[in-house]
Amino acid sequence: GAVVSQHPSWVICKSGTSVKIECRSLDFQATTMFWYRQFPKQSLMLMATSNEGSKATYEQGVEKDKFLINHASLTLSTLTVTSAHPEDSSFYICSARELPGGQPITDTQYFGPGTRLTVL
Amino acid sequence: GQNIDQPTEMTATEGAIVQINCTYQTSGFNGLFWYQQHAGEAPTFLSYNVLDGLEEKGRFSSFLSRSKGYSYLLLKELQMKDSASYLCARNNAGNMLTFGGGTRLMVKP
Repeated sequence: GAVVSQHPSWVICKSGTSVKIECRSLDFQATTMFWYRQFPKQSLMLMATSNEGSKATYEQGVEKDKFLINHASLTLSTLTVTSAHPEDSSFYICSARELPGGQPITDTQYFGPGTRLTVL
Repeated sequence: GQNIDQPTEMTATEGAIVQINCTYQTSGFNGLFWYQQHAGEAPTFLSYNVLDGLEEKGRFSSFLSRSKGYSYLLLKELQMKDSASYLCARNNAGNMLTFGGGTRLMVKP
């Protein structure tokens, strides 16, 4: 099946610093990638939709200037948490949707392993 | 809205059968996913239902009723490793996913 990787798997940073998280589709091209955030014992909340070659679409309540998304190629999207604060500590998960031939077959999203961010 | 409701927690015994229900609003509905998520890990795909009826995959089955806005995940012959959260996710117009709050299943010996 399709494999999505994330790097780093965990990161600890000081308040005020920026952190970049990479999401890669390893064996397929992903025109669309999604970024989710998950707090302990809660479900996944969609933060933004990342489309290759265009600006990301952010969900209501997500600050686009704080969570910078770049989808520079068909296999890579990055999320940068700028000026991180302790309340940004969370589990960040990306997913990628394969669209062979421009049309989804099962429209399954394949999830990366997640990145646990802890801001001190 | 796209309210997705599923029970917060369930407990079952090893070897038993458990059914996890999920209800959702029907407007703009494309399909219904079920994912399994172990603590600290990303979700893994279990099933995707588009049409009404039951789909069986080994010990796991998923059912959908589009008209009722209802789905369930059925787990048979429960094993300890099935202890996890089970996420119901609605595939919306525009192929976006909205997740329910997840059901934490605890399997006891």
